[in-house]
Amino acid sequence: NAGVTQTPKFRILKIGQSMTLQCTQDMNHNYMYWYRQDPGMGLKLIYYSVGAGITDKGEVPNGYNVSRSTTEDFPLRLELAAPSQTSVYFCASSYAYTGELFFGEGSRLTVL
Amino acid sequence: GEDVEQSLFLSVREGDSSVINCTYTDSSSTYLYWYKQEPGAGLQLLTYIFSNMDMKQDQRLTVLLNKKDKHLSLRIADTQTGDSAIYFCAEPQTGNQFYFGTGTSLTVIP
Repeated sequence: NAGVTQTPKFRILKIGQSMTLQCTQDMNHNYMYWYRQDPGMGLKLIYYSVGAGITDKGEVPNGYNVSRSTTEDFPLRLELAAPSQTSVYFCASSYAYTGELFFGEGSRLTVL
Repeated sequence: GEDVEQSLFLSVREGDSSVINCTYTDSSSTYLYWYKQEPGAGLQLLTYIFSNMDMKQDQRLTVLLNKKDKHLSLRIADTQTGDSAIYFCAEPQTGNQFYFGTGTSLTVIP
């Protein structure tokens, strides 16, 4: 089983560029999440989704957008990259919101 | 997360016990979790405790829950160098939002 797959693993962006971080899961999970991890700050929830067609903001949604057209995919879009978005991004999924989260390996993004 | 707090660093000698503490916020959480993150990897579930329990033991791991003080702890007995990692406590809060603590970086000295 692939589990949760994120691409790309590494990316360098220039200020103002746009990009999409891809996330797909093959476990038929309804719940999916995007987090960012910064040193000493733990994980901050960006957006989450409880099923196809439904998305909601987390703690730090500004500068990001998501969509959930299928159960499997939950892409995260950065429209105008800023240095403050330099971080490691993790996608996760779970069967139910009180259930175990399964994480991807992370995407390291640097904005210069 | 929403004020899920942990100390940032812990250093112990191999063979000693490690205790990692967490203060959480949502008293209605059904479960509380501990996740482990090894270098360069995503998080993996280590253990969890149901909110109506005070303690859970799982081999070298002991989880203690004090609901009155909203305090969660993870004890690792006979800590090994392979236990060096970042440990996160986590709670699902209302509104389907899953929040993580700041993480405690555990260093095990041989």
